[in-house]
Amino acid sequence: DTGVSQNPRHKITKRGQNVTFRCDPISEHNRLYWYRQTLGQGPEFLTYFQNEAQLEKSRLLSDRFSAERPKGSFSTLEIQRTEQGDSAMYLCASSLRRENSPLHFGNGTRLTVT
Amino acid sequence: QQPVQSPQAVILREGEDAVINCSSSKALYSVHWYRQKHGEAPVFLMILLKGGEQKGHDKISASFNEKKQQSSLYLTASQLSYSGTYFCGTEVTGNTPLVFGKGTRLSVIA
Repeated sequence: DTGVSQNPRHKITKRGQNVTFRCDPISEHNRLYWYRQTLGQGPEFLTYFQNEAQLEKSRLLSDRFSAERPKGSFSTLEIQRTEQGDSAMYLCASSLRRENSPLHFGNGTRLTVT
Repeated sequence: QQPVQSPQAVILREGEDAVINCSSSKALYSVHWYRQKHGEAPVFLMILLKGGEQKGHDKISASFNEKKQQSSLYLTASQLSYSGTYFCGTEVTGNTPLVFGKGTRLSVIA
């Protein structure tokens, strides 16, 4: 168990640029989640996958956000035309498919939009 | 709908006890508890299922009151290592994404 890996750890970008983050889940986990966390808040759900299928996407999620998990292994989260309000920690988590499985979080990617 | 956690913050001296509550206006299937230390990822503590089950984890335990839709996390004889922000995450069915509360910041001082 090597844990959930996220890259990069930090990303600074200028407003209007596109950014892409990568998440490598625990190998036997078939569920993968993306959350966003801002200072003083709990993780906010963005989207999740079961294998390669994207099962749910937050209604609050802008169309500028897109996520993929092409082969049911790693996932990418892309933000297009970044805005200052996108600045946050983006957390990836994975779990087994069965009910009551805990989430295993990665260390996150901190995005700063200037 | 986001669960409500209370208190927002608490300061304890080593050896003191604390209770953190998590309430929902919706009927819950389960409640998860996580602890996050500054600059680190949230770490899983335990899951409580509907049915009023109480679980223990070293000196940290939790309960789930299905009638009140409330879970409580109990930290006894606190240690410095307990410091961090505690989040509850709730799900209304067994296959819905967790919705997290805003967290309770716990500081244990010597």
